[in-house]
Amino acid sequence: DAKTTQPNSMESNEEEPVHLPCNHSTISGTDYIHWYRQLPSQGPEYVIHGLTSNVNNRMASLAIAEDRKSSTLILHRATLRDAAVYYCILRGGSGNTPLVFGKGTRLSVIA
Amino acid sequence: DTEVTQTPKHLVMGMTNKKSLKCEQHMGHRAMYWYKQKAKKPPELMFVYSYEKLSINESVPSRFSPECPNSSLLNLHLHALQPEDSALYLCASSQDSGLREWRGDTQYFGPGTRLTVL
Repeated sequence: DAKTTQPNSMESNEEEPVHLPCNHSTISGTDYIHWYRQLPSQGPEYVIHGLTSNVNNRMASLAIAEDRKSSTLILHRATLRDAAVYYCILRGGSGNTPLVFGKGTRLSVIA
Repeated sequence: DTEVTQTPKHLVMGMTNKKSLKCEQHMGHRAMYWYKQKAKKPPELMFVYSYEKLSINESVPSRFSPECPNSSLLNLHLHALQPEDSALYLCASSQDSGLREWRGDTQYFGPGTRLTVL
């Protein structure tokens, strides 16, 4: 499986934008870039995913580099509820391909 | 309904006990997963079921026995566990579209069962 590299931790002030980076230099052409997050004492939850183009949804935006070797998850206005571990995961294959979690980035949000 | 439910929320068992974890989804998903998560670590895959058939077993010890009785239910039977098996056990599901329809299916996770083995 192609690997991802994320910073261990990041800190943000409440109501400020947060840019969470992910490097995936060995990504293959069919790998989707997925982001999940895990709030304290909960199961992971889907945030966003994309293949080549930038993507927006109600939770976040995903900016994908032109060469696809890196991506950035953007939370437009961090809230205390966004404090979580954020996982950047590459996923190819078919619908039953499992997620392979790396260590993720622990995001702290300061009031 | 995009919910995956897991019961029980917490379980304490002795090393000689037999217990089962239960997972349920009603989203029509045909792929279901068990992950294990130790404290401060990322989730690790244990098993994958696709259309009620076991498709991946990540070399999990036989004291963990999965079962998928129908497309909505996934069980994990536990027997003769060790204290180091104490962890959060997460269930997940996804659509399991074929390669032709692959759109980067997302996985939906349950809240997990916190297992303590004494």
